[in-house]
Formats: sequence, C-alpha cells, structure tokens
Amino acid sequence: ETGVTQTPRHLVMGMTNKKSLKCEQHLGHNAMYWYKQSAKKPLELMFVYSLEERVENNSVPSRFSPECPNSSHLFLHLHTLQPEDSALYLCASSQVAGGQETQYFGPGTRLLVL
Amino acid sequence: GDSVTQMEGPVTLSEEAFLTINCTYTATGYPSLFWYVQYPGEGLQLLLKATKADDKGSNKGFEATYRKETTSFHLEKGSVQVSDSAVYFCALSDQGGSEKLVFGKGTKLTVNP
Repeated sequence: ETGVTQTPRHLVMGMTNKKSLKCEQHLGHNAMYWYKQSAKKPLELMFVYSLEERVENNSVPSRFSPECPNSSHLFLHLHTLQPEDSALYLCASSQVAGGQETQYFGPGTRLLVL
Repeated sequence: GDSVTQMEGPVTLSEEAFLTINCTYTATGYPSLFWYVQYPGEGLQLLLKATKADDKGSNKGFEATYRKETTSFHLEKGSVQVSDSAVYFCALSDQGGSEKLVFGKGTKLTVNP
C-alpha cells in the first residue's frame, strides 16, 4: 500500500468512550502531523512529530493524546470527547530536510461524537 | 502571525469556463506556497506549489504564480471539467524551519455539465 493511510475511515463514539485513530505512512518520511477539519473553519494543526519527537502541540485539549511509536505510525487516542470534537481528522507526513517540505495527506477519519 | 486569505465560495461554473480562485497571504519571511484540493469524501491532495517569487506551479491544467509584490498566489484553469468539482485550499509554509502549514478556509468549486 502506498501513501498515507488512516483507519478507521468513520467512527461514532459516545462521550464516555475511549478510541484511537491510526495513521500509517509508506513514503519513508520522518515527520507526521494531525489536523482537525471542522465545518466552516480552516484546517487546524493539532500536533507535529518530527523524528518521532513531538515538536508542536497547538493548545489541544488533553482529551486528545497523540502517540508516535516510530516514524511510520501515528496514533491519536481519544477519551471523554465532546460533541464539538466531531470533525474530520487528517493525518499528514513529510520529509523534513530544511523547511518548506510538502506534506502528503491521508483520507481522514470522520468522527462523530454523540 | 502568518495567514492566508482566499476568496469565499462557493463558486459554480459551467464546464469549459475559466476559473480563478484568489489567494493572498501575510508572512514575515519568504514562504513556500501551495494549493491543495479535496475531492468529496477524501483527504487533501497537493495540486501544485511554488517555493520562491515568480515561480509558477502547474498541474492538471491548473496554474498559480508566486507574486511577491502583491503577496498573491491565485489559482487559474483555462477550461474546467465536472471532475474538477472539489474544495481548493491555499496554504503557506514559513521559512523558519517550522513544519507548519497555514491554510486558507477553502473554496468550494462546483462545475456543472
């Protein structure tokens, strides 16, 4: 499989559930990202991992917990979410070499919190 | 901080019409500029990019020129097709070594046969 894959593609969860989103990149990149895409709002960068270290956390609530066990995999652990967290969650990867590298996106996970 | 402003949508065109989607940016340095496209039910795909002033990015009949003097990166296509219906995002990546992309709000394009 090529590119950036995300599972599941769709997820419905209650506010008391715990779930995880998975992202895998097959491009040999060394940086990975989580974005949130809500209706009528610009894409919001949530987390950045570069060389498996978290380098950016854009004031994301603690109910979102990222994990990057290696350069090819990225997880987003979810617990006690709120209905306003319903959105499309996009993963991306890039090869960091000096800035301005192109990011490649996965298809996203459509999350609905009831 | 850095920001991207793109024209509000939605944009509706007939097949073979000319397309322009305006994008302007604010940045402290010399960013790279991107257009991404999101087809229904899918993630973002890179459409084209330009890394320095006066560069022209092109792909699939789409073009955009990096205009430093007007801080713009307008997307154009001479003859749109129904299959071009999607949401288009303008974005910039700053020069400072940050891996951060700043996106515009997106412009939804619908092309009718």
